[in-house]
Amino acid sequence: GPKVLQIPSHQIIDMGQMVTLNCDPVSNHLYFYWYKQILGQQMEFLVNFYNGKVMEKSKLFKDQFSVERPDGSYFTLKIQPTALEDSAVYFCASSWTGSDYTFGSGTRLLVI
Amino acid sequence: GDSVTQTEGQVTVSESKSLIINCTYSTTSIAYPNLFWYVRYPGEGLQLLLKVITAGQKGSSRGFEATYNKETTSFHLQKASVQESDSAVYYCALGDPSSGSWQLIFGSGTQLTVMP
Repeated sequence: GPKVLQIPSHQIIDMGQMVTLNCDPVSNHLYFYWYKQILGQQMEFLVNFYNGKVMEKSKLFKDQFSVERPDGSYFTLKIQPTALEDSAVYFCASSWTGSDYTFGSGTRLLVI
Repeated sequence: GDSVTQTEGQVTVSESKSLIINCTYSTTSIAYPNLFWYVRYPGEGLQLLLKVITAGQKGSSRGFEATYNKETTSFHLQKASVQESDSAVYYCALGDPSSGSWQLIFGSGTQLTVMP
């Protein structure tokens, strides 16, 4: 079936630097999401993006985080500046209806 | 807030034996939430295994079943006869679009290993 692609699969970055995580969603999907999973913990919702806007965000979505999808290209999550506690696997998902997500396989981010 | 609990972090079962993975939920919603089981095979993204949006109903897919039990607030995943290819991580999740939110609340996942 259709897939969500996440690039890169792994990223190592120095604390304080900026990182951009890329997500290529399913082509006709309208809703986009980021989730964060720290090793050994549950996957947690970060943000929902629809029609060019953040629709809802959790308390984990700090001021250093931003999302965008310029001109229907990649849906991106940018962290600037990064902190040690941002080390996690970040999962992108997209959906046509709002529910029934298609998830990517994740980007493993390590901040050192 | 809402929560989902999976008590077993790891389950090991021999091939052709039966399986049950426990999931219970807690919700503050006055409506009944939607319940899901997702599966992640090694190296792949989460895939929807089954979902049930009506309390009392049963969902099924690929030989797996789960019944939405609002009395016990449970949504246990069962399979009568597992195969080695079922080895994966299984996540129970809850969604409550009646609250105006599309986010999912996930359990911590259960790693299933099926021994040949």
